[in-house]
Amino acid sequence: DIQMTQSPSALSASVGDTVTITCRASQSISSWLAWYQHTPGQAPKLLIYDASSLESGVPSRFSGSGSGTEFTLTISSLQPDDVGTYYCQQSNSYSSTFGGGTKLEIK
Amino acid sequence: EVQLLESGGGLVQPGGSLRLSCTASRITFSTYAMAWVRQAPGKGLEWVSSVRLRGDSTYYADSVKGRFTISRDNSKNTMYLQMSSLRAEDTAVYYCAKERATISGVVPNLHYYYYMDVWGKGTTVTVSS
Repeated sequence: DIQMTQSPSALSASVGDTVTITCRASQSISSWLAWYQHTPGQAPKLLIYDASSLESGVPSRFSGSGSGTEFTLTISSLQPDDVGTYYCQQSNSYSSTFGGGTKLEIK
Repeated sequence: EVQLLESGGGLVQPGGSLRLSCTASRITFSTYAMAWVRQAPGKGLEWVSSVRLRGDSTYYADSVKGRFTISRDNSKNTMYLQMSSLRAEDTAVYYCAKERATISGVVPNLHYYYYMDVWGKGTTVTVSS
């Protein structure tokens, strides 16, 4: 099974900052990666798919990059609404795996 | 707007069974793969199971294989998760999600990659004596 490792596990930043979250796959997954935001009490929200494609309705402050085994999610001009936990996910025809999550707090 | 509504959660004893339902609205249900994802208390998201369009192809995480069964009734716009031999570690909020596929390759060598673009708000399952 493909394992997904995220770093850092938590970070704290100020409004207006730019933050970067990293996700590593245990084997190459080409560009088949998604990023989600999950806020307590809410449904998870798809942000990025195919490693770098922005989901409809998601602010352009969110961007994704990477291929193979290393991927990044960048959030620029951080807003208070960006608090929550961010997960990467790989999914092929047979299984799916989430990373362990990165909890983002606003200072 | 597509909506997914989970139901069927509750308190069950270890070794017991429970059936979750996920009903979709404002969607051509039969044209989408569907999935269950759970979040245990204090833990991250964990994929549980997926079912493809007609329900004839199903996939499971190793942690639930042999104990959980996913199915769907396209005539009722509903997906199910039959859970048996429940353990304390199955305690979690269970989310259903609609899967959207990205297709790569050329016929007949097509590869499918699934992203969860619509989620329900979850139903809580507690396994405890």
